[in-house]
Amino acid sequence: DVKVTQSSRYLVKRTGEKVFLECVQDMDHENMFWYRQDPGLGLRLIYFSYDVKMKEKGDIPEGYSVSREKKERFSLILESASTNQTSMYLCASSFTGTGDIYGYTFGSGTRLTVV
Amino acid sequence: QQQVKQSPQSLIVQKGGIPIINCAYENTAFDYFPWYQQFPGKGPALLIAIRPDVSEKKEGRFTISFNKSAKQFSLHIMDSQPGDSATYFCAASPHSGGGADGLTFGKGTHLIIQP
Repeated sequence: DVKVTQSSRYLVKRTGEKVFLECVQDMDHENMFWYRQDPGLGLRLIYFSYDVKMKEKGDIPEGYSVSREKKERFSLILESASTNQTSMYLCASSFTGTGDIYGYTFGSGTRLTVV
Repeated sequence: QQQVKQSPQSLIVQKGGIPIINCAYENTAFDYFPWYQQFPGKGPALLIAIRPDVSEKKEGRFTISFNKSAKQFSLHIMDSQPGDSATYFCAASPHSGGGADGLTFGKGTHLIIQP
C-alpha cells in the first residue's frame, strides 16, 4: 500500500514561531500536495509540487512556503505562525499517469494549534 | 477559484436507507470527479471516481451518477450501514489520470447512519 507519513499528529506552537511540517511518501509519486482542512470550509490547497525542487501555489499560499529537496519528501513551512493558521494539515501524493484514474493518497494529518 | 459546491452539509439516514450527496461544478475543463471518504482521525481516502464520458459508475454499494449537461454529480450509498458514517468529499480536477494541479474539493458532508 502507498503510505504517506506525516511526522507529527499534534503540534502546539507559539505565535511567531517558524514551524516545519514534514511529509514522506514511499511510492515514488511525482506529485505532492499540502492541504488544510477547516470545519465548514473543506480541504483547501496550499501548495503542490510535481517534481523535485518544483513548487506551485495553490488557492491559499499566503503565510506558507514549501520545500521539496527529495522526491519522497515535501515540507510545509509556516514562516511566522499565527493563530489563524490553527488547522488540520493534510499531505497527499499522486502518480501522474495517463488513461487511468489515480487517486490521491493522503496522510493522517497534523493538527496544529498556534497559541 | 474554481468551485465545487456540495450539499447537504450533514445528513442522517436510517440503516438500509440510501443517502444521496450532491455536487455541482462550474469549470467545464474538469474531467475527473472523485469522491473521498474520511473517518475521524484519518486522512481522506479515495472511494470512487468517474470521468465525464460515462453517466454512472458502481463499485459495490457506492454509485456515482454524472450529469454532464447540468454539471452535477452525486454519490449514492445503497443499503447503508453504520460503518458508512463518515465525512464525504466530492472533488474535481481538470486532469484525469492524476494530474499535478491539485483537486478542488467540496466542503464535505457529515453522514451519520443510524442503526
